[in-house]
Formats: sequence, C-alpha cells, structure tokens
Amino acid sequence: DIVMTQTPLSSPVTLGQPASISCRSSESLVHSDGNTYLSWLQQRPGQPPRLLIYKISHRFSGVPDRFSGSGAGTDFTLKISRVEAEDVGVYYCMQATQFPHTFGQGTKLEIK
Amino acid sequence: QVQLVESGGGVVQPGRSLRLSCAASGFTFRSHGMHWVRQAPGKGLEWVAVIWYDGSNKYYADSVKGRFTISRDNSENMLYLQMNSLRAEDTAVYYCVRWEDNRVMDVWGQGTTVTVSS
Repeated sequence: DIVMTQTPLSSPVTLGQPASISCRSSESLVHSDGNTYLSWLQQRPGQPPRLLIYKISHRFSGVPDRFSGSGAGTDFTLKISRVEAEDVGVYYCMQATQFPHTFGQGTKLEIK
Repeated sequence: QVQLVESGGGVVQPGRSLRLSCAASGFTFRSHGMHWVRQAPGKGLEWVAVIWYDGSNKYYADSVKGRFTISRDNSENMLYLQMNSLRAEDTAVYYCVRWEDNRVMDVWGQGTTVTVSS
C-alpha cells in the first residue's frame, strides 16, 4: 500500500498569513495513464470532508482561489495564501492512483 | 441538489452484523462509482471499499476484506455496505462518497456512526 505522510501535523497560523502543508507518498503517484491522482480535502469541525484540490493542482468547484496545490511524483504541497477563520480544520492529502486509496494522517490548522 | 444520506448505523456487539445504506439523489446514480470511507473517533480517514458504476468491480481495504461487502441497487439509487464479524476496531463514522471523473471523491454524505461494543 502507498503510505502518505503529511507535515506538519499541526499548524498554528495568524489570520491573513500564509500556510503550507506538505504531503509525501512512499512511491510515485503517476498513474499509467499519465495522470497523478493526488487530492486535498478539508474537514471542518463536526463536518464531513470536503474536496478542495484534485490531480495535484486543480481547484474543485467553489473552492476559493487562496487554496492552491503543487508538486509532482512523490512530493506535494497545499498552500493557503491568506488564512481566514473559516479555514480552521483538518486537511488531508489522498492518493487515488492505486487501490487501496490512502490518506495522510491529517494536518490540523488552527488560528494563533 | 446532489445529496447522499447514510443510515443503518448503531451499537452492535462484536461478531455481529450490520448493513449500512446510502440514499443518493440529485444526480444520475447509475453513472458513478461509489466509495465507503470511515473515520474512527478522533482519528483520520480510512478508505473502506469502492464499487464501479455498474457493480462490475469492487475493491476493499485489507482491514475489511472477507468481512464487508459493498453493493448497489441502481434502480433504487441505493448503495450498501454489509458488515459481518464486526470488531471493536470497526467503530467509526462511515461516509458514503461519490466517485467522479479524474478519480475524485467529490460528494460526501454526513455519515452514519457504527459502534461495536459489548
């Protein structure tokens, strides 16, 4: 199984400041079809997860443009350009390149 | 609007069975693969199983293989998860999730809670 490792596991951020979360996979996420199926999800307190980013850098419908994704191969990053109060929650990376799909441990974003 | 509503959760003793259901609405259910994903209390997300749009393929996490069965009824817009030989470690919120193009999990239900305890 592909292991997804996120850092940091906790990120205290000042409102209006940027935030960055890293995700590393134990093997390349490049699929035989040439795509890299790496997604980012946000889970606000008491809510189900919500899709933010798919295929490394594609922002899902309705997601604010302060969220961006980048990376390739085994190293990926989620960036929030200016953190807002509503961004508090846990962020997960997830690979869908192969089964079983696997998630990172989650990074808790909190406001300082 | 697009909606997934899970049901069937509850408290069950170890070794017993439970069937979860997920009612889909607002989209063409028979055109989408579907997943079950779970989250143990205070823990992260764990993928459980997937079923192709037509039921032709199914995959399971090793932790549930041989005990859980995913199925669907496209005539009723329903997804199911039959859970047998339940263990304490199966205690979790179970989410029904739509599978969209580009292998994205784009719509999540609110979840149903399963507690396995004697």
